[in-house]
Amino acid sequence: QVQLVQSGVEVKKPGASVKVSCKASGYNSNNYGINWVRQAPGQGLEWMGWISIYKGNTNYAQKFQGRVTMTTDTSTNTAYMELRSLRSDDTAVYYCASGYNYNDFDYWGQGTLVTVSS
Amino acid sequence: DVVMTQSPLSLAVTLGQPASISCRSSQSLVYSDGNTYLNWFQQRPGQSPRRLIYKVSKRDSGVPDRFSGSGSGTDFTLKISRVEAEDVGVYYCMQGTHWPPLTFGGGTKVEIK
Repeated sequence: QVQLVQSGVEVKKPGASVKVSCKASGYNSNNYGINWVRQAPGQGLEWMGWISIYKGNTNYAQKFQGRVTMTTDTSTNTAYMELRSLRSDDTAVYYCASGYNYNDFDYWGQGTLVTVSS
Repeated sequence: DVVMTQSPLSLAVTLGQPASISCRSSQSLVYSDGNTYLNWFQQRPGQSPRRLIYKVSKRDSGVPDRFSGSGSGTDFTLKISRVEAEDVGVYYCMQGTHWPPLTFGGGTKVEIK
């Protein structure tokens, strides 16, 4: 049974950075990927990017290029999403979702609320 | 970017009655491998999204068979044959054919009348 467990609530000031983690368990190999999706309060789902756990290659939404970095630590089966130069409109719940292909969203984490406020 | 347009925005359904949600893409979702990567997700209040349907019509494990997906090309539909109380939430379609970016529809809120 695959599980994704994300890090806890974050409160940041504008201009700061946040790094959200997503620890996977239950996969037999590293041949899967992690998508990051965010949801602003009362809004829909927005795709941010994807990282292959096996190869480490990434693909980011153009909107976040230059501001986001997705990484993995294969020794702990943990994926990370760092977002820099935070603004108030980055306030959202950030989700990780995993699957064997980039367009697979088989399993979801519980979400991490990031609040950006002065 | 592929734009995904869902309708209606919200839907109030009597328990036991059917419900239907439409999703249209701005371009065909048929991939070069012949597959059509159209997913449907359910997000219950206060919960993470959960995938119900992938590749247009394939139901995920554990998803009740009252949920079905259909469509082709640019027009897709999610149907609930008999709505139950646990089906309340927001439903999203998402295309996985043309990326980046992967794109979601705006969501359809389903509530009980």
